[in-house]
Amino acid sequence: DTEVTQTPKHLVMGMTNKKSLKCEQHMGHRAMYWYKQKAKKPPELMFVYSYEKLSINESVPSRFSPECPNSSLLNLHLHALQPEDSALYLCASSQGGTGGGKLFFGSGTQLSVL
Amino acid sequence: DQQVKQNSPSLSVQEGRISILNCDYTNSMFDYFLWYKKYPAEGPTFLISISSIKDKNEDGRFTVFLNKSAKHLSLHIVPSQPGDSAVYFCAAKTGANSKLTFGKGITLSVRP
Repeated sequence: DTEVTQTPKHLVMGMTNKKSLKCEQHMGHRAMYWYKQKAKKPPELMFVYSYEKLSINESVPSRFSPECPNSSLLNLHLHALQPEDSALYLCASSQGGTGGGKLFFGSGTQLSVL
Repeated sequence: DQQVKQNSPSLSVQEGRISILNCDYTNSMFDYFLWYKKYPAEGPTFLISISSIKDKNEDGRFTVFLNKSAKHLSLHIVPSQPGDSAVYFCAAKTGANSKLTFGKGITLSVRP
């Protein structure tokens, strides 16, 4: 199994809603990542978990709250988002380290904030 | 400050011909470089990588060349196929535990 699975694929939410994005991998990878990507832009790193501990937070606003319940799961809790937060949210994993290298990406959650 | 630059936003080539995608970088500490391919509404997929101790790495139709003195790398796809049409991101890192720095991407269109 070389997949990173993200749910949901699409999400529309209002600015007062609370929602969560989910990510799962069963490759035994010990580093997991959240990236945000706007159209025609490169992926921007948000958070990195290494061995289930948050190791990198790229100064992301607190309305985004990551959680790593175990080595296979990664969540991103969303609350009080702004329309400018609309983007493709990508989860990724890698074998080790905190920085990346060969990342395996999920298909992403396309988020629209109204 | 953009440390990884893909200056051409798009490239169009004929099927069967060679596609050459270029990438420049400014950080001389980068020691590992990767290319990712992305289709619309999908996550990027790893394509090929190269360490700074090499100047060429080949995998099937894909070859990456690294010119450290020029801080330049390129991805060659030969022969190009319509299924290669996608956005290609160049990425770089400075060590085992550093984060990836992505370029803005280049959209490749392969015409049948």
